[in-house]
Amino acid sequence: GAVVSQHPSRVICKSGTSVKIECRSLDFQATTMFWYRQFPKQSLMLMATSNEGSKATYEQGVEKDKFLINHASLTLSTLTVTSAHPEDSSFYICSARDPLLNSPLHFGNGTRLTVT
Amino acid sequence: GNSVTQMEGPVTLSEEAFLTINCTYTATGYPSLFWYVQYPGEGLQLLLKATKADDKGSNKGFEATYRKETTSFHLEKGSVQVSDSAVYFCALSVLMNTGFQKLVFGTGTRLLVSP
Repeated sequence: GAVVSQHPSRVICKSGTSVKIECRSLDFQATTMFWYRQFPKQSLMLMATSNEGSKATYEQGVEKDKFLINHASLTLSTLTVTSAHPEDSSFYICSARDPLLNSPLHFGNGTRLTVT
Repeated sequence: GNSVTQMEGPVTLSEEAFLTINCTYTATGYPSLFWYVQYPGEGLQLLLKATKADDKGSNKGFEATYRKETTSFHLEKGSVQVSDSAVYFCALSVLMNTGFQKLVFGTGTRLLVSP
C-alpha cells in the first residue's frame, strides 16, 4: 500500500487564487520531504526540499514566495501555490524517505493542477 | 552538470517481446543510477538501482547494468507482459551541499504492451 499520500489528486482553480497540496507519510516520520514538478513530456524537476521545523530549501529558479512550503510535523508537508496563474498548471509530486530504514524514496501519486 | 537522457516514447510492443529502453547520463563524480516505474494512477516506485560501475540492478525480470565507459544504464526485459505497461523513468542521484541526495530524472518513457 501507499506509504506517501498526496491530496488532492486533481484540482482546478481560477487565476489569482491559492491552492494547497498536502503530502503525508503514512507509516513513518519524515524529517525531510521533496517536492517535484513535472511539465508535459519533461523530467520531474526538484522544486524544494522541505525540512521539518525549519525553512525549506529551494532550487535555483524556484520562487519561494510563489510556492510556500510548510513542514509543520514529521508526517505532513504542504505546498501552497499562491496567486496561481495558468503557467503554474502542472503535475506536482512529493516524496519522502524513511530515515530509520534508509529506504528508497517513496513518492505520492501526484497532484494535477489546472489554473484557468 | 548532471542530466539524464532517455528515449522518447511511447514504446509499443506485443506481449512476450524483448524490451530495451535506452538511458544515458552526464554527471560529476560517481552517481548512483535508478529506474523508477509509474503505473497508471499511481506514484513512482523504485524498480531497480545500481550504485557503482558494472553493477547490475534487477527486479521483476527487468535488468540494467551501470556502464561507466558509455555512461549508460539501459533497461531491458526479455519478455514483457501487458501488466508492464507504465511510464519508466531513469534517474541519477547527486549529493547536494546540504548532505542530502538529490534525484535527477529523465523525461520518462511510456511503454504500451498489447496482448
